[in-house]
Amino acid sequence: AQKITQTQPGMFVQEKEAVTLDCTYDTSDPSYGLFWYKQPSSGEMIFLIYQGSYDQQNATEGRYSLNFQKARKSANLVISASQLGDSAMYFCAMREGQAGTALIFGKGTTLSVSS
Amino acid sequence: GAGVSQSPRYKVTKRGQDVALRCDPISGHVSLYWYRQALGQGPEFLTYFNYEAQQDKSGLPNDRFSAERPEGSISTLTIQRTEQRDSAMYRCASSPGLLEQYFGPGTRLTVT
Repeated sequence: AQKITQTQPGMFVQEKEAVTLDCTYDTSDPSYGLFWYKQPSSGEMIFLIYQGSYDQQNATEGRYSLNFQKARKSANLVISASQLGDSAMYFCAMREGQAGTALIFGKGTTLSVSS
Repeated sequence: GAGVSQSPRYKVTKRGQDVALRCDPISGHVSLYWYRQALGQGPEFLTYFNYEAQQDKSGLPNDRFSAERPEGSISTLTIQRTEQRDSAMYRCASSPGLLEQYFGPGTRLTVT
């Protein structure tokens, strides 16, 4: 079974609108972390946001927020007020167990922002 | 400060040759990870180190792949007798040991 599932191969949004990128995960470990990374066409991997399994509140970083629904095992990324520079591939990833273990990535979602 | 650096950025090699890919992590970062990323896919784990100790090498595809981090800083991923299926982007990431991993720019390996 897939550990990280991103069901949207591509998403399209207009500038200034909000967009939600979906991510569901599968783990039996009670301790885990969820991450989102952005990969623009230049190829770099940019860390965006982190949510720990025991965190009570949803993580936020500027225009990025993580909609964490533990019972549903979902960790959707919400980007508010989209900008042209947000056009990129977005990867959801999970770390199982304690910090210091490898990340498991989903297949990614390509976001295209138009003016 | 300086981020994770990798060299070379691009490597073209003939099938059967050995290649060595280098990763220089962020200074002071305890953990170092190697991933492989195929075009249009997410990175896949290969191996990782805490300091100089290789903690997990379960993602290495076969015994042609090896990695070392002898002094707990720079790491080298070596692929012996390269095959065309080894062509991919090889990414290194480092972490202070707690949460997020910071990725390098990657080495694009092409085996002809």
